[in-house]
Amino acid sequence: KAGVTQTPRYLIKTRGQQVTLSCSPISGHRSVSWYQQTPGQGLQFLFEYFSETQRNKGNFPGRFSGRQFSNSRSEMNVSTLELGDSALYLCASLTSDNTGELFFGEGSRLTVL
Amino acid sequence: AQSVTQLGSHVSVSEGALVLLRCNYSSSVPPYLFWYVQYPNQGLQLLLKYTSAATLVKGINGFEAEFKKSETSFHLTKPSAHMSDAAEYFCAVSGLLAGANNLFFGTGTRLTVIP
Repeated sequence: KAGVTQTPRYLIKTRGQQVTLSCSPISGHRSVSWYQQTPGQGLQFLFEYFSETQRNKGNFPGRFSGRQFSNSRSEMNVSTLELGDSALYLCASLTSDNTGELFFGEGSRLTVL
Repeated sequence: AQSVTQLGSHVSVSEGALVLLRCNYSSSVPPYLFWYVQYPNQGLQLLLKYTSAATLVKGINGFEAEFKKSETSFHLTKPSAHMSDAAEYFCAVSGLLAGANNLFFGTGTRLTVIP
């Protein structure tokens, strides 16, 4: 069974640009969550999508957005990039056993110069 | 509200020594608790989870954790550390029962294993 796949793994952008990250969940998983991980703030919840609808949202500015497609694949977008957006962005899909267990991808490492 | 607190951002142990990583939780509902491990430049991998069955939970790589409701703790242990255990460990509590499908993570504990 394939795991959660995130692309790209690494990318470098400059301030003011925008970036789109992609996530394919485990087959059959319909919920996808995104987390931002930085050395200073740790793991912070961005948002969660289920059946193409955003169900939960963390405390991030509107520059951070996402969407989910009918095949459960998800994308997140960050516009007008700032230096502080440099982070590892992790995608996770939710198991269906109702325990809240998340399966994580390897992440997309974004560096903003 | 759900939250976890990990005591000690860095822990160093000698190879072969006991590993003890501490986690205390706060939850308004009976919690589901997790330990995840993260190796450099990788995502998080589940070590073990507590879902209200046995209070002593065994996970992968020889790790185990004991749920103690009276102490609101879920500490992670391993009898004998191996060099390959060097990584960052995260305790997390599920928001699922409170209606939120996201995990609340602790700040992590970086484990160093000294040869």
